[in-house]
Amino acid sequence: DIQMTQSPSSLPASIGGRVTITCRASQDIAHLLAWFQQKPGKAPKSLIHGASSLQSGVPSRFSGTGSGTDFTLTISSLQPDDFATYYCQQYVIYPFTFGPGTKVDL
Amino acid sequence: QVHLVQSGAEVKEPGASVKVSCKASGYSFTHYYMMWVRQAPGQGLEWMGIINPTGGSTHFAQKFQDRVTISADTSTSTVYMELRSLKSDDTAVYYCTKFDFASGGDFWGQGTLVTVSS
Repeated sequence: DIQMTQSPSSLPASIGGRVTITCRASQDIAHLLAWFQQKPGKAPKSLIHGASSLQSGVPSRFSGTGSGTDFTLTISSLQPDDFATYYCQQYVIYPFTFGPGTKVDL
Repeated sequence: QVHLVQSGAEVKEPGASVKVSCKASGYSFTHYYMMWVRQAPGQGLEWMGIINPTGGSTHFAQKFQDRVTISADTSTSTVYMELRSLKSDDTAVYYCTKFDFASGGDFWGQGTLVTVSS
């Protein structure tokens, strides 16, 4: 199975600040990486697919980069609604494994 | 618009089975896969398996291979996930999510809490 790692596991942040989360795959996954946002008690919300393509309706302050094994999710100016846990997922080879998550909080 | 509506919470005893449904609307059901993902209390997301409703082909994570069945009813646009021989560590919220390689897992159901307890 492809192992996905994320860093950091938690990230103190402030409103208006820039946030960068890293995701690494144990083998080449090309651009087949997704990012999800999850708030407590809620279903995950898809933010980005194909490593860098924003899902419809996702604010432009979110961006994704990377290919191969190393990827980043950036929030350019953190808003109150962005405090959540973020997960990456590879979907190149079954099982479509998730990273362990990064919690962004105050 | 796309909606994935899952069945309600379940409480099961160890050794029992549970069948969770996911009814899709707002898109062409047979043109997209459906994945199942679970989340134990306080834990991360765990991929369980996927089905192509056209033809019914499935793929599962190895840890669930012997205990899970995913099926699709194209007449009602509903996907089912059955997990057998339940254990206490199967207590989790189970999600269905619409998937294709062009847009990833773009829409998710609301989740179904399955509690396994004697």
